[in-house]
Amino acid sequence: ETGVTQTPRHLVMGMTNKKSLKCEQHLGHNAMYWYKQSAKKPLELMFVYSLEERVENNSVPSRFSPECPNSSHLFLHLHTLQPEDSALYLCASSQGAGASTDTQYFGPGTRLTVL
Amino acid sequence: KQEVTQIPAALSVPEGENLVLNCSFTDSAIYNLQWFRQDPGKGLTSLLLIQSSQREQTSGRLNASLDKSSGRSTLYIAASQPGDSATYLCASQGGKLIFGQGTELSVKP
Repeated sequence: ETGVTQTPRHLVMGMTNKKSLKCEQHLGHNAMYWYKQSAKKPLELMFVYSLEERVENNSVPSRFSPECPNSSHLFLHLHTLQPEDSALYLCASSQGAGASTDTQYFGPGTRLTVL
Repeated sequence: KQEVTQIPAALSVPEGENLVLNCSFTDSAIYNLQWFRQDPGKGLTSLLLIQSSQREQTSGRLNASLDKSSGRSTLYIAASQPGDSATYLCASQGGKLIFGQGTELSVKP
């Protein structure tokens, strides 16, 4: 266990559904991240939050909406997704957001399938 | 724009063999280089972090080296075991982590 938990672990949704992914870190970290891992592609950074403020948004479509209510919790709200959004969504946390010694700790991921 | 490449994409070896995984990056202005392990359907586990001022890091049977000038890093695994079977990812950090596509390792008993 890395100290980062994600729920649900698996999610199947239709294109018209609205769902949310949840991430919680128990490490006392100040930065949290959402990544997307599609088959045969490198992990793609989606969002970065540092001290609950969004510091990076890598041109992610608006159908993905992040929320960071406090430094321990991170959500990814999903609506009107497309089949190509099916992927493993990984959450990570680190002490800071970009220092040379900041190792990121990853959760187990949510396997999302969009029908 | 930083690009990280890992070779080979897949590797199968018999148990007990020593092996080397390769990682190259295009922009040498990095804070550090990290190696992760990912088991099927699971998240990533950090293995080693080499800061830009360092040449190598060791943890047990793992040794990672970094040559910033040539834009290369290697992960050496000694005396491989079936439990080492996983996908190994390298990532450069220059403000954010940029990942390679990974090397899928299979160690046969």
